[in-house]
Amino acid sequence: NAGVMQNPRHLVRRRGQEARLRCSPMKGHSHVYWYRQLPEEGLKFMVYLQKENIIDESGMPKERFSAEFPKEGPSILRIQQVVRGDSAAYFCASSPGGRWTEPSYEQYFGPGTRLTVT
Amino acid sequence: GENVEQHPSTLSVQEGDSAVIKCTYSDSASNYFPWYKQELGKGPQLIIDIRSNVGEKKDQRIAVTLNKTAKHFSLHITETQPEDSAVYFCAASIKYSSASKIIFGSGTRLSIRP
Repeated sequence: NAGVMQNPRHLVRRRGQEARLRCSPMKGHSHVYWYRQLPEEGLKFMVYLQKENIIDESGMPKERFSAEFPKEGPSILRIQQVVRGDSAAYFCASSPGGRWTEPSYEQYFGPGTRLTVT
Repeated sequence: GENVEQHPSTLSVQEGDSAVIKCTYSDSASNYFPWYKQELGKGPQLIIDIRSNVGEKKDQRIAVTLNKTAKHFSLHITETQPEDSAVYFCAASIKYSSASKIIFGSGTRLSIRP
């Protein structure tokens, strides 16, 4: 029973490049959340998605950031034209529940992707 | 929106002693309070949680208490062991319509002295 999987684990990008972070939720989980963690800080909510739908993107920067969770395949967090301030650990979490049911409260986290912008 | 305050930011206790981490939250609509343990280089791991209709919950050496009136909740670890050393995050969650958003505290770095 694999947990939440994220790849890559480490990603280095130069300023202006694009970063694509992938998240595969636990089996049977249709609810995905993305969080950002700066060094020595807590996790900040970015976006909540169900399959093919963005439910809450109130924590997502208005520009350069986008997220999707297609019908098939992993959820993708995409950062265009990265800047040094985007350097952080990005965590994905998933909740039990099917596509047409409400999520359970519990969120289970992946190991994260550490993005470094040089 | 919801705001979660966590104290202390660092905590060092002798092995075998107890550790207590305290949190407060601002939104009275919050109804789910998970605690996460994060080890270096890893993702947060859910260790215990409590819902708003319960005042206390215990799981072996870990216990959580919730005071809804005061909007306080705490994590208690008894008989601490070296493997308890990690960063601990409290969180509060509001479940609304089909969504559930977790707001995290800033974390407590717990060190267990041998």
